[in-house]
Amino acid sequence: QKEVEQDPGPLSVPEGAIVSLNCTYSNSAFQYFMWYRQYSRKGPELLMYTYSSGNKEDGRFTAQVDKSSKYISLFIRDSQPSDSATYLCAMKAAGNKLTFGGGTRVLVKP
Amino acid sequence: DTGVSQDPRHKITKRGQNVTFRCDPISEHNRLYWYRQTLGQGPEFLTYFQNEAQLEKSRLLSDRFSAERPKGSFSTLEIQRTEQGDSAMYLCASSPGQDTDTQYFGPGTRLTVL
Repeated sequence: QKEVEQDPGPLSVPEGAIVSLNCTYSNSAFQYFMWYRQYSRKGPELLMYTYSSGNKEDGRFTAQVDKSSKYISLFIRDSQPSDSATYLCAMKAAGNKLTFGGGTRVLVKP
Repeated sequence: DTGVSQDPRHKITKRGQNVTFRCDPISEHNRLYWYRQTLGQGPEFLTYFQNEAQLEKSRLLSDRFSAERPKGSFSTLEIQRTEQGDSAMYLCASSPGQDTDTQYFGPGTRLTVL
């Protein structure tokens, strides 16, 4: 079983809808949680970074962390066709290496 | 801040050949990371440098793989005697080495082994 599980999708939504993404993890040592966006054949781009349980908002993006349930979420409001990409959750413990989920492919249809 | 750069962007090689990739981190970032990503999967950690010191290596980094960061700036990743299973995207990331240690990724080098 992988340390970080993420539904591969694809997740298809109409333009303007809310995109809801999530990851579960098994390693209780993970303390830092990130969401990256990756366009095809490009490197991952950092979207959100959270440390503790709770919510963090940045523009159209909201990240949630529930450490008690080992569950993190990313919400994208007012989705646009340009949001079509693969979204990767990543997390790390006190060390430095990131452990990624497999990514969820999102398609926002005009 | 010009971002993390990687060269080449794409490399096609025949099985058994050696290949070398280069990564230039964001200036003043003292931590540098290498990851490997295969199709449909998330990146997997390979190795990590703090300045010129290689501090951690994954078991994924077989004896055929070697990484260096000789002057604490750019880094190279060499794969000897390439195998078809080495075909993947090789990603480099750098971070400032502060408490948050946010990692910023380069565009990657896509390796195809024929």
